Amino acid sequence: NAGVMQNPRHLVRRRGQEARLRCSPMKGHSHVYWYRQLPEEGLKFMVYLQKENIIDESGMPKERFSAEFPKEGPSILRIQQVVRGDSAAYFCASSLTGELDYGYTFGSGTRLTVV
Amino acid sequence: GNSVTQMEGPVTLSEEAFLTINCTYTATGYPSLFWYVQYPGEGLQLLLKATKADDKGSNKGFEATYRKETTSFHLEKGSVQVSDSAVYFCALGDMKTSYDKVIFGPGTSLSVIP
Repeated sequence: NAGVMQNPRHLVRRRGQEARLRCSPMKGHSHVYWYRQLPEEGLKFMVYLQKENIIDESGMPKERFSAEFPKEGPSILRIQQVVRGDSAAYFCASSLTGELDYGYTFGSGTRLTVV
Repeated sequence: GNSVTQMEGPVTLSEEAFLTINCTYTATGYPSLFWYVQYPGEGLQLLLKATKADDKGSNKGFEATYRKETTSFHLEKGSVQVSDSAVYFCALGDMKTSYDKVIFGPGTSLSVIP
């Protein structure tokens, strides 16, 4: 019973490069949520996706950030032309339904460092 | 909008001391309330939850009671261990029309020293 798998665990990018973060939800889960944790801060909601659909992207920066959850394969959070301020831990969570009765299951995160 | 406030850390306690981490919330309706724990270098794990007023969530010796009258969900443990050192996040379930979204507090770092 694999949990939520995120990779890579650590990612270093130079300013201006692209970062691609992958998240494979728990088996059977079709709801994926991305959160960002900035240094010394809590988790901030970014986007909620179901298979092939973005349901809520109210927490996503308007530029350079995009997310997808294709019919096959993991969910991808993509950051184009990264800047130092993008350095953070990015966590993915999945749930069986859109309801919170069972809470979210989180992955171990991807720690992005922009140099 | 809905929000969660936690006591500021870091909190440092000696082993076997009593722990309280305060959490208050602002929400419309009756949200579910959660405590998550994040150990160093790891993701968040659900520690306990309560879904309605006066419910008490408990797990691993930790407890929290959903207090609607004071809009609080304080986390307590009678005797902490070194292995409890982690960051603790209070959270609420923001009930949307078609799904629920979790809103997290800023987290409280706990260090337990032998």
